Amino acid sequence: ELKVEQNPLFLSMQEGKNYTIYCNYSTTSDRLYWYRQDPGKSLESLFVLLSNGAVKQEGRLMASLDTKARLSTLHITAAVHDLSATYFCAVDSTFGTDKLIFGTGTRLQVFP
Amino acid sequence: DTEVTQTPKHLVMGMTNKKSLKCEQHMGHRAMYWYKQKAKKPPELMFVYSYEKLSINESVPSRFSPECPNSSLLNLHLHALQPEDSALYLCASSGAGGYNEQFFGPGTRLTVL
Repeated sequence: ELKVEQNPLFLSMQEGKNYTIYCNYSTTSDRLYWYRQDPGKSLESLFVLLSNGAVKQEGRLMASLDTKARLSTLHITAAVHDLSATYFCAVDSTFGTDKLIFGTGTRLQVFP
Repeated sequence: DTEVTQTPKHLVMGMTNKKSLKCEQHMGHRAMYWYKQKAKKPPELMFVYSYEKLSINESVPSRFSPECPNSSLLNLHLHALQPEDSALYLCASSGAGGYNEQFFGPGTRLTVL
């Protein structure tokens, strides 16, 4: 059974600092997705990573995928308060089944 | 149109009520999903429809009944729910581009009294 783990579960960081969220998954997959969720709101798609070595950047966020290590990272550069949210990674469970397995989520809080 | 819409935004119902949640997308996506999300937890998959046919049912209790009237619409019929069914119910769609990037609606906040 595919399992997806994120760490840390909770991250409190100061504005201007850098940090990385890690997403590990247990079986072979070359498709990984990152989502953001604000409190009480829905999920917003951030990044789609479709191959080994894929790197995507949007503003202060950069996501990468290493399929051999079964690891994706979400790097935050010079954090600002607006980035405070919960971040989920998700992995295709089996090619062609439409099912995503979500990670546990990382709740990010950025303070002044 | 690049969004998934859901109605209602909020719903309060008693345990004997029958209600329905509605979801609509006009992105030409072939797959539509229902998720349940409890506070501080990841979304939990309930049902998947692919090309208007139920393709995944994650052993959801029969008090939840999905329906896909056409390729743009997805309903979730609710009957005899329990207080523990209170949650955020999310609809999503995917299918353009050959990979499984899912686009989520705003959700329905359901409270069962």
